[in-house]
Amino acid sequence: SYELTQPPSVSVSPGQTATITCSGYSLSKKYAYWYQQKSGQAPVLVIYEDNRRPSGIPERFSGSSSGTVATLTITGAQLEDEADYYCYSTDGDGNHIGIFGGGTKLTVL
Amino acid sequence: EVRLVESGGGLVHPGGSLRLSCAVSGLTFSNSWMHWVRQVPGKGLVWVSRISNDGSTTTYADFAKGRFTVSRDNVKNTLYLQMNSLRADDSAVYYCGRVEYWGQGALVTVSS
Repeated sequence: SYELTQPPSVSVSPGQTATITCSGYSLSKKYAYWYQQKSGQAPVLVIYEDNRRPSGIPERFSGSSSGTVATLTITGAQLEDEADYYCYSTDGDGNHIGIFGGGTKLTVL
Repeated sequence: EVRLVESGGGLVHPGGSLRLSCAVSGLTFSNSWMHWVRQVPGKGLVWVSRISNDGSTTTYADFAKGRFTVSRDNVKNTLYLQMNSLRADDSAVYYCGRVEYWGQGALVTVSS
């Protein structure tokens, strides 16, 4: 089976930089996408195709990918960034099966 | 404004069936590959299925193969998920969406 691995939790103080990683062999072949999900809400796309930011997403959100690891960086985290973050990709074997990472709870305090 | 509205969720007995619908507006539905994703409250997102823009290609997670069927009506701008032989562990909020946009979800509870 295909897996994407994320740390369960990350904590930062307001204004600091938060870094969330996502590792999986398919990331060497496929793009990573990052979603933010706040309690009781639908997921919101914050990064697509490894490092592209949708319109309306603050510039403090950025993404990168190298080898089998994708990274979401929030530069100058704000209190409102506290949420669960999920990486998403597809399997690297051409089956087009979607995969989510287990999610990372970002705490800003 | 892009809107995706799921409907059809509810309580069903184990072994039963349910069909979810997802009404889409504000985007070119017929050009969009669409997905279903589910989430047990308090747990992570799990990908369920996707369908190509013309409906000719469908892909499923292993747990959905043989039990779930995704389909679409490009005239009605509606996505569907037919779920059969439901089990207790299928209980979750089911979201429809495209990569950039997701609905608010429909709760499915499988219980006797």
